[in-house]
Amino acid sequence: QVQLQESGPGLVKPSQTLSLTCTVSGGSISSGGYYWSWIRQHPGKGLEWIGYIYYSGSTYYNPSLKSRVTISVDTSKNQFSLKLSSVTAADTAVYYCARGASTIFGVVPPKDWGQGTLVTVSS
Amino acid sequence: QSALTQPRSVSGSPGQSVTISCTGTSSDVGGYNYVSWYQQHPGKAPKLMIYDVSKRPSGVPDRFSGSKSGNTASLTISGLQAEDEADYYCCSYAGSYTSVVFGGGTKLTVL
Repeated sequence: QVQLQESGPGLVKPSQTLSLTCTVSGGSISSGGYYWSWIRQHPGKGLEWIGYIYYSGSTYYNPSLKSRVTISVDTSKNQFSLKLSSVTAADTAVYYCARGASTIFGVVPPKDWGQGTLVTVSS
Repeated sequence: QSALTQPRSVSGSPGQSVTISCTGTSSDVGGYNYVSWYQQHPGKAPKLMIYDVSKRPSGVPDRFSGSKSGNTASLTISGLQAEDEADYYCCSYAGSYTSVVFGGGTKLTVL
């Protein structure tokens, strides 16, 4: 069974870039039929889709975050990463990486999630 | 796309059944059988409870069931137990060349 694990700094200063990595084990990120995503959850709030990537490198970003988000994949390390630039306190959240299936219709809800990592934006 | 609509809270006593609704549109919930439900306990990651409207992953008790009628999906929990108290989120396919869409979440209280 595939497992996902987020890693990265838990504290980021305002205006800087938040960088997180998701390491995948128990399966290859290069296997077709899946997308690899980042989802966040503000304290006490619901789930917010950030974006996703295919192993080929094709991406989709939440329009509300698109100008600040970059998701990339490193198949040699079986990892994918998130960069969110120009962060503010409003970006303080638990960040999850997740895997879902890609069908002929498009992407469907993710099945496999990482445990999440809290990132606080503060000086 | 807009978020799916869930009740903010539901409650039930141990042993009872509760149903949580998730309302979307014909472009998401109503259009395809790709609705999932997640359970989230405080400080934990979401756990998949139902996928493809009514399928249960291995290890999920059969007390949890899913269904769909028109643009509304439902999660029913029968024989409520104290450990079922959690937040529940629905999530649906939302069209080609876009992401999925989440519901706002429902807090289940076991009285």
